[in-house]
Amino acid sequence: AQSVTQLGSHVSVSEGALVLLRCNYSSSVPPYLFWYVQYPNQGLQLLLKYTSAATLVKGINGFEAEFKKSETSFHLTKPSAHMSDAAEYFCAVTVNTNAGKSTFGDGTTLTVKP
Amino acid sequence: NAGVTQTPKFRVLKTGQSMTLLCAQDMNHEYMYWYRQDPGMGLRLIHYSVGEGTTAKGEVPDGYNVSRLKKQNFLLGLESAAPSQTSVYFCASSFGSGGATDTQYFGPGTRLTVL
Repeated sequence: AQSVTQLGSHVSVSEGALVLLRCNYSSSVPPYLFWYVQYPNQGLQLLLKYTSAATLVKGINGFEAEFKKSETSFHLTKPSAHMSDAAEYFCAVTVNTNAGKSTFGDGTTLTVKP
Repeated sequence: NAGVTQTPKFRVLKTGQSMTLLCAQDMNHEYMYWYRQDPGMGLRLIHYSVGEGTTAKGEVPDGYNVSRLKKQNFLLGLESAAPSQTSVYFCASSFGSGGATDTQYFGPGTRLTVL
């Protein structure tokens, strides 16, 4: 079975500062990894995904993530936080043997201070 | 395209009452999913479907039933609601052809309170 762990349920940064949200995964077969964002009172929407084509993945709104197999990590970064980045972020993993079902982390709430 | 829509947006039930949540998608997706979201627990899969007429259990199926009679609709039923089913329910869909690499598209959610 696969799983993800998001380190830090709450992260707070100042506007303009680096954003780093951590995600570690566990899987016995090659994983596919996703980051989703959820704004208040809305559903989740895809930020980016790793599908084995390239280890550095660029997504929407200036976010990117790097797949590191040796560290079993897929951390999300953005060089400069904007107030509009305040939201909850979820890391998710799927594997080919699982009918496309994703296992989600518990989420990290990002607060951006002016 | 409306994407994924959910009906209703809010509902309050008394213990023991029943209800059905409706999810509809207009993207011709094969796969559909029902999740519940509880504070600090991420999303947990209740049931899913890989095509019209098929359903399967997810991580937390007890107390719920589902049906997928039409490709575009996925219904989630609560036969006898319990306070433990107070949650926000999300429906999602995906193409299905890409399997594990497919993006899931989420609806706006249904906030259910069981008293």
